[in-house]
Amino acid sequence: GDSVTQMEGPVTLSEEAFLTINCTYTATGYPSLFWYVQYPGEGLQLLLKATKADDKGSNKGFEATYRKETTSFHLEKGSVQVSDSAVYFCALKMDNDYKLSFGAGTTVTVRA
Amino acid sequence: GAVVSQHPSWVICKSGTSVKIECRSLDFQATTMFWYRQFPKQSLMLMATSNEGSKATYEQGVEKDKFLINHASLTLSTLTVTSAHPEDSSFYICSARDPDRPSTYGYTFGSGTRLTVV
Repeated sequence: GDSVTQMEGPVTLSEEAFLTINCTYTATGYPSLFWYVQYPGEGLQLLLKATKADDKGSNKGFEATYRKETTSFHLEKGSVQVSDSAVYFCALKMDNDYKLSFGAGTTVTVRA
Repeated sequence: GAVVSQHPSWVICKSGTSVKIECRSLDFQATTMFWYRQFPKQSLMLMATSNEGSKATYEQGVEKDKFLINHASLTLSTLTVTSAHPEDSSFYICSARDPDRPSTYGYTFGSGTRLTVV
C-alpha cells in the first residue's frame, strides 16, 4: 500500500543551525505530499505541500521539493529558531482517496 | 481559512464511563471528517472516516461499538468512547476536508483531545 517513511528522531539542534528531515514515499501513482507540524499539546497544522513532481513547497522558512526520481520530499530550513521545536510529520494523499498516510513523525528540539 | 474546532481539549473520566468528543467545522461544510488516535511519541493512526448522514467507515482493528461516531450535520462529527478503560487514554484528533478546495489540498485538523481514563 501507499506509505511514508520518515527519518527517525529525535533531532536536537542549536539555534541558527540547518535542519533536514528526510522523507521518502511509496505509492502506486503520483501522490500529493505534505509536511505537517505539531506543537506541544496541539493538533496538526499544515506546514507546506506539493502536488506534482518538481514542485517546491515553502512556508515560514521551511522548504521541501517533490522529487519523483528519488520518491522523496525532504524538509529543510536554513536557520532554525527555538520556536521551531515541534514534531514534524510527512504525509501523502492519493487523488482517488480521501485518506492521508502519515510518517512516524520526527521530534525536533532547538536549543538557544 | 478553514477552521476546525475540537472540544474538549482535555478530559479525565472514570473507568466504565463514556466520553463524547466534538469536532466542528466553523466556516465550511465538511461532508467527510476523520478521527485519529495518537499514542505518545507515535504517529497518527486513522480510526475511522465519518460521513455526513451515513455510517462511519472504521479502519481494521478499531472497535466500532466502543468508538461510536456520529456525523449528524455537515459541520459536526462526534466521537464517543464508550465504557472507557485506562488503555483508551490517548490523544484523539479530528480532521476535515473543505470540499470547496481542490482534492489535492491538505486537511484541517482540530487541536486534539487528551483523554485520561482513571
